[in-house]
Amino acid sequence: KAGVTQTPRYLIKTRGQQVTLSCSPISGHRSVSWYQQTPGQGLQFLFEYFSETQRNKGNFPGRFSGRQFSNSRSEMNVSTLELGDSALYLCASSPRRDGTEAFFGQGTRLTVV
Amino acid sequence: AQKITQTQPGMFVQEKEAVTLDCTYDTSDQSYGLFWYKQPSSGEMIFLIYQGSYDEQNATEGRYSLNFQKARKSANLVISASQLGDSAMYFCAMRESWSGAGSYQLTFGKGTKLSVIP
Repeated sequence: KAGVTQTPRYLIKTRGQQVTLSCSPISGHRSVSWYQQTPGQGLQFLFEYFSETQRNKGNFPGRFSGRQFSNSRSEMNVSTLELGDSALYLCASSPRRDGTEAFFGQGTRLTVV
Repeated sequence: AQKITQTQPGMFVQEKEAVTLDCTYDTSDQSYGLFWYKQPSSGEMIFLIYQGSYDEQNATEGRYSLNFQKARKSANLVISASQLGDSAMYFCAMRESWSGAGSYQLTFGKGTKLSVIP
């Protein structure tokens, strides 16, 4: 069974640009969550989707957005990139609505220069 | 206040010995879940073990066990017979508002870096 797949694995962008990250959950999983990991702030929740609906959003500016498609694949977008957006972005999928199990992908490491 | 506190930034353990990683949590919810994840240098977060707040038995998964003390709000991870491959960052996490309509959102601690010495 394939795990959670995140693409791309590595990304370098320039300040002011925008970026789209992709997450393909484990087959059959309908819940997808996104997290940002930085050395200073640790792991912080970005958003969560279930059946194409955003159920919750973390405390991030409106430059961070996301969506989920009918096949449960999810994308997150960051517009007007800032240096502080450099981070590891992790996606997690869960087979259950209550999220008792959550499986993470390997992450996308974004570097903003 | 920190919701998840991991007081050990780094720990060393001899190969084949047991090690306990500490985690305390803060919540006013009655229903919640506690998780431990391992993050090797590759970056992937690997799910290790889960404990529900209403579970009376401590969770166990192979060499991992969770020492759940609800009154003390602690959920320590015990790794028995440490292996070199156990060297990694370990994160404790909590999901609050456990309900069918609730949002699945994990709050993580700062992590503990475990180094296994041969």
